[in-house]
Amino acid sequence: QVHLVESGGGVVQPGRSLRLSCAASGVTFRSNAMHWVRQAPGKGLEWVTLISFDGTTKKYLDSVKGRFTISRDNSKNTLFLQMDSLRAEDTAVYYCARGGDTSDAFDTWGRGTLVTVSS
Amino acid sequence: DIVMTQSPDFLAVSLGERATINCRSTHNLLYSSNNKNYLAWYQQKPGQPPKLLIYWASTRESGVPDRFSGSGSGTDFTLTISSLQAEDVAVYYCQQYYRSPFTFGPGTKVDVK
Repeated sequence: QVHLVESGGGVVQPGRSLRLSCAASGVTFRSNAMHWVRQAPGKGLEWVTLISFDGTTKKYLDSVKGRFTISRDNSKNTLFLQMDSLRAEDTAVYYCARGGDTSDAFDTWGRGTLVTVSS
Repeated sequence: DIVMTQSPDFLAVSLGERATINCRSTHNLLYSSNNKNYLAWYQQKPGQPPKLLIYWASTRESGVPDRFSGSGSGTDFTLTISSLQAEDVAVYYCQQYYRSPFTFGPGTKVDVK
């Protein structure tokens, strides 16, 4: 069974940066697309970004384009999210999620890491 | 962007009764080349991450109880819980994975009456 564990969240001032990591264990994740999804406190789910299995394709939510960068290291089974120029509206729990083997639905999720952007 | 809507926002059902959640997309999610609907359903319990229940609109994820079923095609979809159990209390989200941004519906909260 695949386990995903996020880390790197915390409290950061507006305009600053933060780097999230997502470590996969149980099985390698190098064959799967990976995503970041966020959930603001008390709100619904919002997809943020995707990276293809080999890292060649990346897609972003418009509101994070130019500020967030997704990457992966398949040799270390780790996914990253570099978040720059953070804004108060980026405050959320950030989940990493795996694109499924048999469909592109998100079949495995981490428990999330909380990012709070506040002065 | 594809917009997903859900109804109702909140649903209270007696234990053992049926719960039905509707989801609508602003774009046809049926991909003609493979005849599959790019629609998933997730369950999220308080303090937990979402859990995939249904993909391809009607295919149950491994380990998901058969009281959960999905139906629909194109732009209109339904998640049915045939006999509500106490452990089904959660928020349910539909999601399109037809194209990015991979948008979610706003969620339907299901509780016991």
